[in-house]
This record gives sequence, C-alpha cells and structure tokens, in this order.
Amino acid sequence: EVQLLESGGGLVQPGGSLRLSCAASGFTFSSYAMSWVRQAPGKGLEWVSNINAGGVTTYYADSVKGRFTISRDNSKNTLYLQMNSLRAEDTAVYYCANRDNSGWLDYWGQGTLVTVST
Amino acid sequence: EIVLTQSPATLSLSPGERATLSCRASQSVSNYLAWYQQKPGQAPRLLIYDASNRATGIPARFSGSGSGTDFTLTISSLEPEDFAVYYCQQRRNWPLTFGGGTKVEIK
Repeated sequence: EVQLLESGGGLVQPGGSLRLSCAASGFTFSSYAMSWVRQAPGKGLEWVSNINAGGVTTYYADSVKGRFTISRDNSKNTLYLQMNSLRAEDTAVYYCANRDNSGWLDYWGQGTLVTVST
Repeated sequence: EIVLTQSPATLSLSPGERATLSCRASQSVSNYLAWYQQKPGQAPRLLIYDASNRATGIPARFSGSGSGTDFTLTISSLEPEDFAVYYCQQRRNWPLTFGGGTKVEIK
C-alpha cells in the first residue's frame, strides 16, 4: 500500500524558515517524480514544486521561487521542502504527492499545516 | 502560465441527478488534463487523467471528455459520497496549474 506521510509543519513567524518532510513507502520511491501542492485555508489547490526521480531537475511556482527548495533522499525514501523567508500568504496545508509514469499526481499524503503568523 | 477556469463555482443537485462540470484552459493543453475530487479534511484523489481515462478504482459513473481548451467531467447519477469539490489540473506546461474548483453540494 502506498503511503506518504508529511511532517514538519507548525507555527512560524514571518521571515522564518521551516523544513517539511514526506516519508514514502509502498512503492519504489527512487523511480518517481514527486511534487508539493499546497492549499490555503478555505481556498483551492496550488502546485508548489516538483523534483524528478533522480533529484536533478526541479521546478517551482513563481510564488515560491528563490525562497523554497525541493530535494529528496532516495536512500531514505524521503522528500523535503525547505521553506525560507516565509510570508503570511504561505500559510496552507502542504501535501506531497507522487507523479505516476504519465505525470499525474497519483497518490497524496494527508498534508501538514504551516501557519506563518506573529 | 496556463489558466484553468472552472464553472460553475457551485452546483446544487440532488442524489441521482446528473452533474456536468466544466474546465476551460487559456491555451491548448491537448489531452493533458486531470480531474481530482476532494472531500472536507481529506487530500485530493485522482479521478480522471488524460482527459478521459478513469483512475484505478474510480466508478464508471465518472467520465471525462474534451481536448484542447474545453473539458467536461460528468457524474451520471450522483451518489451521496460524490458531494465534494472537484478540481481540474493541466500538465501540458510548467507550472502545473489547477482550476479554482467546483463544489457539488446537496440541493
């Protein structure tokens, strides 16, 4: 059974940093691209970032480019999102999701809440 | 950036009725479009990919159609568990983008 378990969310002040983790199991993690998607309270879905299976190629939404860094450790089956210079508008539930062989967001974690506030 | 516009924002229907949801892209996405269902407090679930293919385990009452810029998700006969928010998403170009969502609510 595929499982994705996010952790690392919490309350942080504006300008602060946070690192999210996503522990994967039930599939060959190193064979699949992964994405982070976020959802602000009461709002829709926003794709944040993507990393290819080998961890070499990354993409970012303009809203987080230069502030967030996606990475992965295939030996630990774990995906990361380093978030720096956090802003109030980054407040959201952050989901990790794997991209299937066709590129679709096939399996999703349960999400971790990040709140940026004083 | 490809903008996806979903309509209507809210659809009020009764169980057993047919639901028709629309997603329009600001430029052609070919058939690189998916639909997701999200229930309150849950992660999204992939329903339809490549515009018209049902994901694993998705009931036959869900169907997708369209190509280019205009797409439709149809739920042939609403079951109580189908009342949720539905999002379309394209992967034709980076960045990946989602539509704003259509909430299907009980009338």
